[in-house]
Amino acid sequence: GAVVSQHPSRVICKSGTSVKIECRSLDFQATTMFWYRQFPKQSLMLMATSNEGSKATYEQGVEKDKFLINHASLTLSTLTVTSAHPEDSSFYICSYRPGTGDNEQFFGPGTRLTVL
Amino acid sequence: AQSVTQLGSHVSVSEGALVLLRCNYSSSVPPYLFWYVQYPNQGLQLLLKYTTGATLVKGINGFEAEFKKSETSFHLTKPSAHMSDAAEYFCAVMRWGGKLIFGQGTELSVKP
Repeated sequence: GAVVSQHPSRVICKSGTSVKIECRSLDFQATTMFWYRQFPKQSLMLMATSNEGSKATYEQGVEKDKFLINHASLTLSTLTVTSAHPEDSSFYICSYRPGTGDNEQFFGPGTRLTVL
Repeated sequence: AQSVTQLGSHVSVSEGALVLLRCNYSSSVPPYLFWYVQYPNQGLQLLLKYTTGATLVKGINGFEAEFKKSETSFHLTKPSAHMSDAAEYFCAVMRWGGKLIFGQGTELSVKP
């Protein structure tokens, strides 16, 4: 399957600071990508969807000004958590859906964010 | 609207025993269904998927699932559990635009 990387794998930051998480597809170009959040012992919750060349679409209840998503290219997407607070501590996972008609999503390894 | 329900947040089996993880879905259109596995602090890996065609789907690592429309189910099975199967398993249904709606997850433990 396709390879998706995330950087960093884990990050600890102070409350009030901003954190940027990168998501890269290493071997294909993806027109659609997704960002998920997963709290401990819980399922993945979709935060937003973005298609190359357009702005991200956020799920209900997700603050777009707090979670900035930039689908910079067909192989790079970034999620910036602005003015992070302890309640933002979570596991953030990105996924790419190739624009080849395949229905499968390829997931990154995730980023563990801890806000002190 | 689509939704997924996984019965049992935790399942424990002995090594060599049958694995059965239950998933029921709700969908107003023919569903695309997926099973993913997640190991601790890692992303998700696709085990298998059902889109159209044969209702018995075979996946990686000896897993398979059967799509039963009449029961709105997509249960995951493996004839003989291995210690390396211990992980979190998620059933998911695809929504419009390719979005995945995940079930609550089932943690599988395998006892020696």
